[in-house]
Amino acid sequence: EIVMTQSPATLSVSPGEGATLSCRASQSVTSNLAWYQQKPGQAPRLLIYGVSTRAPGIPARFSGSGFGTEFTMTLSSLQSEDFAVYYCQQYNNWPRSFGQGTKLEIK
Amino acid sequence: EVQLVESGGGLVQPGGSLRLSCAASGFSFSSYAMSWVRQAPGKGLEWVSSISDTSGSTYYADSVKGRFTISRDNYENTVSLQMNSLTAEDTAVYYCAKDVGSGSYLFGNWGQGTRVTVSS
Repeated sequence: EIVMTQSPATLSVSPGEGATLSCRASQSVTSNLAWYQQKPGQAPRLLIYGVSTRAPGIPARFSGSGFGTEFTMTLSSLQSEDFAVYYCQQYNNWPRSFGQGTKLEIK
Repeated sequence: EVQLVESGGGLVQPGGSLRLSCAASGFSFSSYAMSWVRQAPGKGLEWVSSISDTSGSTYYADSVKGRFTISRDNYENTVSLQMNSLTAEDTAVYYCAKDVGSGSYLFGNWGQGTRVTVSS
């Protein structure tokens, strides 16, 4: 099983600033890496897949990079609606696996 | 618009069974793989099971293998999860998710979830 590790667990950022979230896989997942956003009481929402392809309707301030085992998602100019929990997920191998999440909170 | 509506959750005693259903609309259901993902209270996301578009392939997390069965009805546009021998560790919100496409088994659209509580 591929273990996904996200860092940091919590990130405090002021609105308007940028944020970088990290995700590491225990073995290579090539480019089969996705990011999800989840707000309290809501279902997760797919943001990015294939490392850097934004899902339909996702604004350009969300971007992703990486390959193999090291990945990052960058959020630029944070809006109030961006404060949430973010999960990375690999879909290269079975079982599918998620990171434990990074909570992006308002500073 | 893609819609996924889960049902069937509730309170069940340890060792009991429950069948979850997900009604899909707004897309060509028979062309997409479907999955179940769960989230225990206050915890992260855990993939549970996936099924291919034709039901030819099914996949399970080790934590549910042998106890849960995923199935689908491409005429009724539903995907189900039969859950047997439930334990407290199965307590979670269960989400139904639609594949992005191309058999990636990537969770492109999600339902709002149905809550399962296993407790005596």
